[in-house]
Amino acid sequence: QQQVKQSPQSLIVQKGGISIINCAYENTAFDYFPWYQQFPGKGPALLIAIRPDVSEKKEGRFTISFNKSAKQFSLHIMDSQPGDSATYFCAASKEAGANNLFFGTGTRLTVIP
Amino acid sequence: GAGVSQSPSNKVTEKGKDVELRCDPISGHTALYWYRQRLGQGLEFLIYFQGNSAPDKSGLPSDRFSAERTGESVSTLTIQRTQQEDSAVYLCASSANRGSYEQYFGPGTRLTVT
Repeated sequence: QQQVKQSPQSLIVQKGGISIINCAYENTAFDYFPWYQQFPGKGPALLIAIRPDVSEKKEGRFTISFNKSAKQFSLHIMDSQPGDSATYFCAASKEAGANNLFFGTGTRLTVIP
Repeated sequence: GAGVSQSPSNKVTEKGKDVELRCDPISGHTALYWYRQRLGQGLEFLIYFQGNSAPDKSGLPSDRFSAERTGESVSTLTIQRTQQEDSAVYLCASSANRGSYEQYFGPGTRLTVT
């Protein structure tokens, strides 16, 4: 059972545009929601993360929006650049237990010049 | 400082053989995780080590999979009698301590079972 659902599977955006990736979860025990960026042949790299006590977090061109009541969160990439072309994974974890991350299935982003 | 390292980067093995994958976490990180990433999929949790506590093996898919960790350093993931469905990238991550949440991933080992 997929604990974190991610969409879209792939996304093509023009340079300078806004990329939006959405995720949804069911387990209300989740209390940490990171986004990872993965380039081909590399491990995932932590991009930005949010806790449920805030509705938005911004770091540079990357913003997480979090809707606790809807159990949804999204990643917005402003002014998308060709160098942002990668696979993005949302994830969630909870303090209890192993703190292991439950990952979405990934979104392959392509930013065209 | 140095990040998480994994070896080998690629491993091709015949069905039925055993393989060992190695992970060197970030120095000082007490928590270590193994994940599996099948082609085009998200990462699946396999096993978690925290300090000297008993590992959380709840994600291991079968008894052919096992892992060990020496103290707070190197970990090895062993897959016995490999099957074609074991073909995947095996990723290791470490974090500073339990509850720190931030996990840092190595580059992975791509395992191909022929």
